[in-house]
Formats: sequence, C-alpha cells, structure tokens
Amino acid sequence: DGGITQSPKYLFRKEGQNVTLSCEQNLNHDAMYWYRQDPGQGLRLIYYSQIVNDFQKGDIAEGYSVSREKKESFPLTVTSAQKNPTAFYLCASSILTGTGELFFGEGSRLTVL
Amino acid sequence: QKEVEQDPGPLSVPEGAIVSLNCTYSNSAFQYFMWYRQYSRKGPELLMYTYSSGNKEDGRFTAQVDKSSKYISLFIRDSQPSDSATYLCAMIPDDKIIFGKGTRLHILP
Repeated sequence: DGGITQSPKYLFRKEGQNVTLSCEQNLNHDAMYWYRQDPGQGLRLIYYSQIVNDFQKGDIAEGYSVSREKKESFPLTVTSAQKNPTAFYLCASSILTGTGELFFGEGSRLTVL
Repeated sequence: QKEVEQDPGPLSVPEGAIVSLNCTYSNSAFQYFMWYRQYSRKGPELLMYTYSSGNKEDGRFTAQVDKSSKYISLFIRDSQPSDSATYLCAMIPDDKIIFGKGTRLHILP
C-alpha cells in the first residue's frame, strides 16, 4: 500500500541533544512537508521541498534542519537550538506544491525531558 | 486579523444531529478550499476539496464556499460517533497551504 511512514512514533530527548525524525513516502510525490502541531496552534509549516536537493523554510524553521537527497525521503532534525521542541510533528507529501491534497503520515511525538 | 479563523470548540452534539463547522478568511486571493479530518494522535486526512463558490456534496458531507463573505462551511448530516475528530479548514493562496487551528467535534451517542 502507498503511503507515508514516519518514525519513531514517540521519542524522548534530553535538553541539548539533536534528534532526527524520519519520513519516507512511496507515493512518487515530488513535494514533501514538515509541520508542527501544538494544542490550540493548528498546523505550522517548518520546511517544505518541491524537488530533490531543494527545500525552503516555512513559517517556523528556526532550530530545525532538513535534507532531501532522495525523492522518497525528507528527514527532519530538531536541533538543540530549538527552544521549545516538545510537539507533535507531521510529515506530508503532495504531487505538486499548491495542489492542496496533502497526504500525511501518522506523526511523531517528541518530548524533551 | 489572522488569515484564517476557526473556532477551536469543543463542539458537542447528539448523534444524528446536523453539524455545522465554519471558517472565515481575510485574503480574497484564496482560491482553493479544503477540509481535513484528524482523529486523535493521527495525521489529518483530506475530506473535501472545493474551488468555486457554492456547495459540494459527498455522502453525508457538504462543503459550502461563499467567496463574497469569505466564509466556508462543512455540514455533516446524520452525525455518527465515528465523526468525532478535529476538523481543519485549509486554503491555498500560492504554493503554501494555510490551515485553520481546527475545531474539535464530539458526537454524543
């Protein structure tokens, strides 16, 4: 079955540590996205990528980094510079940017201890 | 004024009732309008996608767009407990999608 796989589902991290969240898709989509979801805040865009080896900052990119070396993969690193990293992180993909039909993964919940 | 406004709820209605969920927006450049449904601890899934003003129906769901008032609605008929979820409206001005904050809906058996 085609879809988006995020891992790990739950992750605990100590303050000062970097952590990488995995996102893999087998939908052959060009565009991929990372969102952060906090209670009462809705979805906020962190980074997005329209093609391999290219990505753009979203609204809240500070303290995060991404790479897009393969079409199927778009990992997100939450660095120690991110001041409030505890959140639910969602990866999504779409055929093209601006189409509106996003396919989301199941999410990764990061808790900083 | 925020670009997209959505009442966070929670909204509790009895099973079988008609549910009305709404969003307002400020940018008249928005052309595409969507509703996503998100179950607890899951990723959102696309429910309805509309472009023009008017109504679009899909089973028990009807999406309504009023561009003159900058107002969109999602109606759920014969609501079921399985409809209990957070509903997010979303809109596209360019190559990014702007989401509302979501409305939590509880259908009471």
